[in-house]
Amino acid sequence: GIQVEQSPPDLILQEGANSTLRCNFSDSVNNLQWFHQNPWGQLINLFYIPSGTKQNGRLSATTVATERYSLLYISSSQTTDSGVYFCAVERTQGGSEKLVFGKGTKLTVNP
Amino acid sequence: DTGVSQNPRHKITKRGQNVTFRCDPISEHNRLYWYRQTLGQGPEFLTYFQNEAQLEKSRLLSDRFSAERPKGSFSTLEIQRTEQGDSAMYLCASSPGTPRWEQYFGPGTRLTVT
Repeated sequence: GIQVEQSPPDLILQEGANSTLRCNFSDSVNNLQWFHQNPWGQLINLFYIPSGTKQNGRLSATTVATERYSLLYISSSQTTDSGVYFCAVERTQGGSEKLVFGKGTKLTVNP
Repeated sequence: DTGVSQNPRHKITKRGQNVTFRCDPISEHNRLYWYRQTLGQGPEFLTYFQNEAQLEKSRLLSDRFSAERPKGSFSTLEIQRTEQGDSAMYLCASSPGTPRWEQYFGPGTRLTVT
């Protein structure tokens, strides 16, 4: 099946710093989503971005489908950005409709 | 749009008991998914429905697990004869389907088997 690798696994920042999270995937996809999982376990949708670039406030994401990677940018980080960030993809071929998740990047933003 | 809801939010049960979880998807989303997440891992796919039809099941879904989506609305996930290894967060998601594949997740049901 498709492989999803996220890096780095852990990231510690001071408030106000910028960061880049990476997601590599091993096959063509028709869906790529970035999520933030809060301390209560809720997965919050950040971006639906199978290709191209999107921005939402301090967050932006870019997916280069031909090179099979996606980047999530967090600017001017805040303590509330802490949590685990997941990348998840759905393959284009094979009829499988499921999201396959990476292992996540655990972000800690210190005041 | 009230989002995906799941009940109960927490469930503690003794080994060997049966448990049932409910998921209410976003209205008019015809696709509904179940995932399981253990500590320190990303969610893993269990099964999905398009309307009332169960179209795919993971190998993770042993014979003790069964899911239904009667009438294509809410869904239930039942685990029979629970084992300690079933302890996990069970997540439900829904999506509108073609042409938009984005999945929206509920808050999850945290199961603890003692």
